[in-house]
Amino acid sequence: EDQVTQSPEALRLQEGESSSLNCSYTVSGLRGLFWYRQDPGKGPEFLFTLYSAGEEKEKERLKATLTKKESFLHITAPKPEDSATYLCAVQARSSASKIIFGSGTRLSIRP
Amino acid sequence: DARVTQTPRHKVTEMGQEVTMRCQPILGHNTVFWYRQTMMQGLELLAYFRNRAPLDDSGMPKDRFSAEMPDATLATLKIQPSEPRDSAVYFCASGSGTGDPYEQYFGPGTRLTVT
Repeated sequence: EDQVTQSPEALRLQEGESSSLNCSYTVSGLRGLFWYRQDPGKGPEFLFTLYSAGEEKEKERLKATLTKKESFLHITAPKPEDSATYLCAVQARSSASKIIFGSGTRLSIRP
Repeated sequence: DARVTQTPRHKVTEMGQEVTMRCQPILGHNTVFWYRQTMMQGLELLAYFRNRAPLDDSGMPKDRFSAEMPDATLATLKIQPSEPRDSAVYFCASGSGTGDPYEQYFGPGTRLTVT
């Protein structure tokens, strides 16, 4: 069964303190892995798509990486406005359009 | 600025009443998804459509939930009769259906409270 597990559930950092969020997945043939950001009271906002192991993508203070078993979202020198829940999702080759979401990591950045 | 829109944004109703939620996907997107989000379960896929045809609705309670796409610019999710356990935020998302894979873009959600 396809599965996505994110850790930690919650992470509190000081402004400027870099860290990483983890997304472990098991899927029968990965078509793509997605990272989303969700602010309170809003829908998830698309950040990145990763297709194959070794791939990396960057956007401002965020960098996403992918291996055959997991993905990391690295946050460098975060600011309070980076506080949000970060969701990971995978799409399997066998699943047509369906994607499966992890439960998310709640990130809080203190000024 | 293309966005997915959803109405209503908030709905409070009594148990047993019918609830209808509407979604307008991004123009040109041919795939539409309905999700439910709760603190306990996270994001759950309820149903999705491609070119207005339902592809998978296995995530929906069949006896009370129904999803349709009357036309390419409107998707609806109905609950009849509603129950307190249906209280959640319901999101609609759309995707282009092209590329391998392709991203989904989410609407702002409908917060449903059933008393």
